[in-house]
Amino acid sequence: GDSVTQMEGPVTLSEEAFLTINCTYTATGYPSLFWYVQYPGEGLQLLLKATKADDKGSNKGFEATYRKETTSFHLEKGSVQVSDSAVYFCALSDLGNTDKLIFGTGTRLQVFP
Amino acid sequence: EAQVTQNPRYLITVTGKKLTVTCSQNMNHEYMSWYRQDPGLGLRQIYYSMNVEVTDKGDVPEGYKVSRKEKRNFPLILESPSPNQTSLYFCASRLTGSSTDTQYFGPGTRLTVL
Repeated sequence: GDSVTQMEGPVTLSEEAFLTINCTYTATGYPSLFWYVQYPGEGLQLLLKATKADDKGSNKGFEATYRKETTSFHLEKGSVQVSDSAVYFCALSDLGNTDKLIFGTGTRLQVFP
Repeated sequence: EAQVTQNPRYLITVTGKKLTVTCSQNMNHEYMSWYRQDPGLGLRQIYYSMNVEVTDKGDVPEGYKVSRKEKRNFPLILESPSPNQTSLYFCASRLTGSSTDTQYFGPGTRLTVL
């Protein structure tokens, strides 16, 4: 079945460092891909999405490109801030009529001043 | 403000005592889902609904019930909770069933079953 694999956390960075969180997927067909962020004590917020191959999603300085050839959707940010500390989830949309998002296990990012 | 709301946010209960977690959305979305989040497992879908009176099982439906009598509400019912249902629960809604649509999540309900 479809699945999402994310790099293990926690990822620990200093402020202004470059961030990459790896995400690869397995899917039949061409799903949409999403990054959600969960700040401490809060629900999930959509960070960015891409709906077809070679699309780049971007928001708040974060970017991810839908790479069909490598089945990847890696999250990047050029300069992280302490306020970016959160758990990041990569997800793909099930193409059946199930309303389901298939999530990775999440990657915790900790940014220190 | 467009949002998904859940109540309660925190709940501690005992084995076997029936409980309901409410979910409501004000965006006129057709699709709604319930997920549970467990450490190391990410989020897994429990049940979903495509519209009023239309519901179906997700990946982990055992021990749960849902209903969709109104478009805006999608309560999650645990008729006889057990400790393995201790988890963080999220309700979500989406405008249509299109895979390109964004799912919007509620703030979560942290449930502890003793």
